[in-house]
Amino acid sequence: ETGVTQSPTHLIKTRGQQVTLRCSSQSGHNTVSWYQQALGQGPQFIFQYYREEENGRGNFPPRFSGLQFPNYSSELNVNALELDDSALYLCASSLAGTSAYEQYFGPGTRLTVT
Amino acid sequence: AQSVTQLDSQVPVFEEAPVELRCNYSSSVSVYLFWYVQYPNQGLQLLLKYLSGSTLVKGINGFEAEFNKSQTSFHLRKPSVHISDTAEYFCAVTPLNTNAGKSTFGDGTTLTVKP
Repeated sequence: ETGVTQSPTHLIKTRGQQVTLRCSSQSGHNTVSWYQQALGQGPQFIFQYYREEENGRGNFPPRFSGLQFPNYSSELNVNALELDDSALYLCASSLAGTSAYEQYFGPGTRLTVT
Repeated sequence: AQSVTQLDSQVPVFEEAPVELRCNYSSSVSVYLFWYVQYPNQGLQLLLKYLSGSTLVKGINGFEAEFNKSQTSFHLRKPSVHISDTAEYFCAVTPLNTNAGKSTFGDGTTLTVKP
């Protein structure tokens, strides 16, 4: 069973640029959630994708967008990067409709905006 | 909307001593409750969860937590800690009747176990 993987592990971008982060979900999982974890804080829910559609969104502006592909992998896109976007971005996969109700996290992508 | 407050940002403790990490939550709907651990430069790992039933839940690595509905708390305990338990611990809630995910997290408690 393959766990959740994310790429790249680290990334440095300049303010105003655009970035794409990638996530491969755990085998058999059909739901992906993205979180932003700023330094010294807990993860904040950005949005969730289920069956290739956005299924809930946290308090993040529209310049944060995402995609889910037929193989359930996912991308997080951030446009017009700001300094405050510097954070660890975590994705988590889960299987909708089960009683286990668990999500499994990847190791994260560390984004630094200068 | 939900909110989670972890009452201690840092908890230092000596090896083999007991520890309690405190978590209170607020929600207008019923929620599931979770504790996660995060080691340096890693993602989050589920320690335990409360979905229903017995209010005392046991998790991995000897941790347990007790759900108290009247006090809206979900405190994490371990009777005897090890050096390897040094990590960041997060309490989280997720509304019922939603897909897993969409969790609201506290800001974390840094547990430091000293020899």
